[in-house]
Amino acid sequence: AQKVTQAQTEISVVEKEDVTLDCVYETRDTTYYLFWYKQPPSGELVFLIRRNSFDEQNEISGRYSWNFQKSTSSFNFTITASQVVDSAVYFCALRPLFYNQGGKLIFGQGTELSVKP
Amino acid sequence: KAGVTQTPRYLIKTRGQQVTLSCSPISGHRSVSWYQQTPGQGLQFLFEYFSETQRNKGNFPGRFSGRQFSNSRSEMNVSTLELGDSALYLCASSLGEDNSPLHFGNGTRLTVT
Repeated sequence: AQKVTQAQTEISVVEKEDVTLDCVYETRDTTYYLFWYKQPPSGELVFLIRRNSFDEQNEISGRYSWNFQKSTSSFNFTITASQVVDSAVYFCALRPLFYNQGGKLIFGQGTELSVKP
Repeated sequence: KAGVTQTPRYLIKTRGQQVTLSCSPISGHRSVSWYQQTPGQGLQFLFEYFSETQRNKGNFPGRFSGRQFSNSRSEMNVSTLELGDSALYLCASSLGEDNSPLHFGNGTRLTVT
């Protein structure tokens, strides 16, 4: 079975604090993709990053960074120097590598991040 | 480049009625997927269409159906609405290749009374 767990339901920080959103996944597939999406109050899911299972290199994009550890089945997301505009619900998701293996995104329950000024 | 467009943004329907939701993908995208988002169940996959063919399907009853047109636009239909169908329905498009990320629209908020 495939499953994504985001244990943190809600996180509240003060602006400029660093915050890490945890994501743990389960899959029997040996190849897969992992994603992070951001959902602001407008409802649209905004794509942040895709990582495939054979690339464990960490990635940094501005204030955002991602730590992928296959050994612990985790794909954590860190926001450095958080800003009020980062307030949103963040989703971690898993998908088989190939569409003919199912093609659907398995989402975690989401972490609601609130950044206060 | 225009994003994924979903219409309408809000709908209120009565139990037993049917509803059709529309999704226009990003230009050049051939795959359209639909997801249902509810507070209790979270985000759940409904189905995916690629080049007018349903390529993947989630675990929803037959009351939920969809189709894709030759211009890649997609519609989703829900018949015999139930209260539990109240949700945010999100459409996503992609190039349809294995490494293509999904790009989501703003969703249609359906309320069934």
